[in-house]
Amino acid sequence: AAGVIQSPRHLIKEKRETATLKCYPIPRHDTVYWYQQGPGQDPQFLISFYEKMQSDKGSIPDRFSAQQFSDYHSELNMSSLELGDSALYFCASSTWSVGYTFGSGTRLTVV
Amino acid sequence: GIQVEQSPPDLILQEGANSTLRCNFSDSVNNLQWFHQNPWGQLINLFYIPSGTKQNGRLSATTVATERYSLLYISSSQTTDSGVYFCAVERNTGKLIFGQGTTLQVKP
Repeated sequence: AAGVIQSPRHLIKEKRETATLKCYPIPRHDTVYWYQQGPGQDPQFLISFYEKMQSDKGSIPDRFSAQQFSDYHSELNMSSLELGDSALYFCASSTWSVGYTFGSGTRLTVV
Repeated sequence: GIQVEQSPPDLILQEGANSTLRCNFSDSVNNLQWFHQNPWGQLINLFYIPSGTKQNGRLSATTVATERYSLLYISSSQTTDSGVYFCAVERNTGKLIFGQGTTLQVKP
């Protein structure tokens, strides 16, 4: 079965650089979510899109932005990276009564 | 917002032992899922279980929605069961809220 595809798997950036994470949801899933998981923490909701429109926003810094494109893939853009942005970033997709499926995550390290 | 509490926070088992993990939530929910995060960081969906009981091999889960808790049972544990187990709920908010997790270590 198709899963949620995230790229890249690992990313190393320097402070103040920009990073772009990509997510390809499961086909016919209508909602995409981004989560951030710091070391030893539970995943925290950042932002979601329903049918390509932003549907909800969590504790996402103003330096971060995201969008969902016409082919339903989504990108999370992070600018002016800080050491504290080092984390696992997950994308998930869902549709009604199916539940959430998470991708394998992108491990971002800011040095 | 809704609160999700998991217990115990940490658990050490000998291979072959059984265990029960608990998840309490503070309000009614329309979605509850159990995830296993393996040592490589992958979040694996174990159960989508807003109510009722489900079984998958050595794992089973029960959610009693009226009493706002869910239980995850692991039988005949194996070293590959090690990792963090998360309970996550959704209450008409369009996003999953995670508990703090239970860290399980299974020793050979």
